[in-house]
Amino acid sequence: AQSVTQLGSHVSVSEGALVLLRCNYSSSVPPYLFWYVQYPNQGLQLLLKYTSAATLVKGINGFEAEFKKSETSFHLTKPSAHMSDAAEYFCAVSEDRGSTLGRLYFGRGTQLTVWP
Amino acid sequence: DGGITQSPKYLFRKEGQNVTLSCEQNLNHDAMYWYRQDPGQGLRLIYYSQIVNDFQKGDIAEGYSVSREKKESFPLTVTSAQKNPTAFYLCASSIEDRANQPQHFGDGTRLSIL
Repeated sequence: AQSVTQLGSHVSVSEGALVLLRCNYSSSVPPYLFWYVQYPNQGLQLLLKYTSAATLVKGINGFEAEFKKSETSFHLTKPSAHMSDAAEYFCAVSEDRGSTLGRLYFGRGTQLTVWP
Repeated sequence: DGGITQSPKYLFRKEGQNVTLSCEQNLNHDAMYWYRQDPGQGLRLIYYSQIVNDFQKGDIAEGYSVSREKKESFPLTVTSAQKNPTAFYLCASSIEDRANQPQHFGDGTRLSIL
């Protein structure tokens, strides 16, 4: 069965510092992987997705993620944090099999705080 | 602009009362989903619909019901059988129920108990 582990429920960085949010998944078949961002009292917005093309995926707002099959990881990075990046980030996995083909399994989320 | 509209933004339920959360999309998407979000728990799937007039239970369907009579609408009813309904509810849709298709989310409804 699919599952997602996000290491660190809270991450704090200074403005301008590197952002690294960790995501590990388990999947018995090649997965599709997504990162979403959620601002307070809002829905989720897609940051980027991995769908078996390039392993380094670039998304919106300067974020990118690298799919590493050997490590079953899909960590999210941004070279320089901005105050507006403060939000909760969710990693999700999906597999192309079963009756619920589009089913997403979410991690528990990582709250990113950016200090001035 | 195309998108997903959830209403109301805030909802209060009395003991023994059923309440219905609205979800409307104008993206012409076939698949729609309902999730429940609790702090520190991520999102959990309540119900999903791959196509109009069809829907399936997710992981936590007990105490909830849905209908899909129109392609653009997927309302969720929280029944009195749901003993712990306080949560943030999110509706999502995708072009089709395929693993490589991203889901688009509404802005959610926050349900509380009076």
